[in-house]
Amino acid sequence: DQQVKQNSPSLSVQEGRISILNCDYTNSMFDYFLWYKKYPAEGPTFLISISSIKDKNEDGRFTVFLNKSAKHLSLHIVPSQPGDSAVYFCAASAGNYGQNFVFGPGTRLSVLP
Amino acid sequence: DGGITQSPKYLFRKEGQNVTLSCEQNLNHDAMYWYRQDPGQGLRLIYYSQIVNDFQKGDIAEGYSVSREKKESFPLTVTSAQKNPTAFYLCASSTPRLAPHNEQFFGPGTRLTVL
Repeated sequence: DQQVKQNSPSLSVQEGRISILNCDYTNSMFDYFLWYKKYPAEGPTFLISISSIKDKNEDGRFTVFLNKSAKHLSLHIVPSQPGDSAVYFCAASAGNYGQNFVFGPGTRLSVLP
Repeated sequence: DGGITQSPKYLFRKEGQNVTLSCEQNLNHDAMYWYRQDPGQGLRLIYYSQIVNDFQKGDIAEGYSVSREKKESFPLTVTSAQKNPTAFYLCASSTPRLAPHNEQFFGPGTRLTVL
């Protein structure tokens, strides 16, 4: 049973428009969430995180929104650029770091020029 | 430059052979992790180590073994007992010293193919 779900395996967006990637979780003990970006044949790189005490965190073109009551978070990329084309993983952590990081299956984003 | 290195990038082995994947970090991180990625699935935790000479099983440890004799190194051995070893293997590290939650830094990965 997946504790972290990304129900859209892929998403295509026009360059300059907004990309919205969604993530849902089932474990109410999760209190820290991260987004990673991964290019083919490379390791994931950290993008942005959010703690459960916040409902929004922004870093440049990237904003993560957290809705604790719905157990849902989303990553907004505005404006989308072709270099953003990658697989995006949502990850969640509960309490202690490390052993409780659970990753979603990923969403492949394609930004079309 | 500080980072995590994994070698080799591509590895081919015959069925029934043990194989060891290398992971080295010079970030002075205490914790290290091994994940496996299969198509359509997220990263699944194989083993992790929070300090030298200590490691714990993750969600899918069966058929794998690790050692942590040095802080910088966390090699993973894929044994012949692993039923489906062909996958993309990712090593990561982190440190809890600066924050209660810290992102993990990942290596470039090793793609293992068992023939």
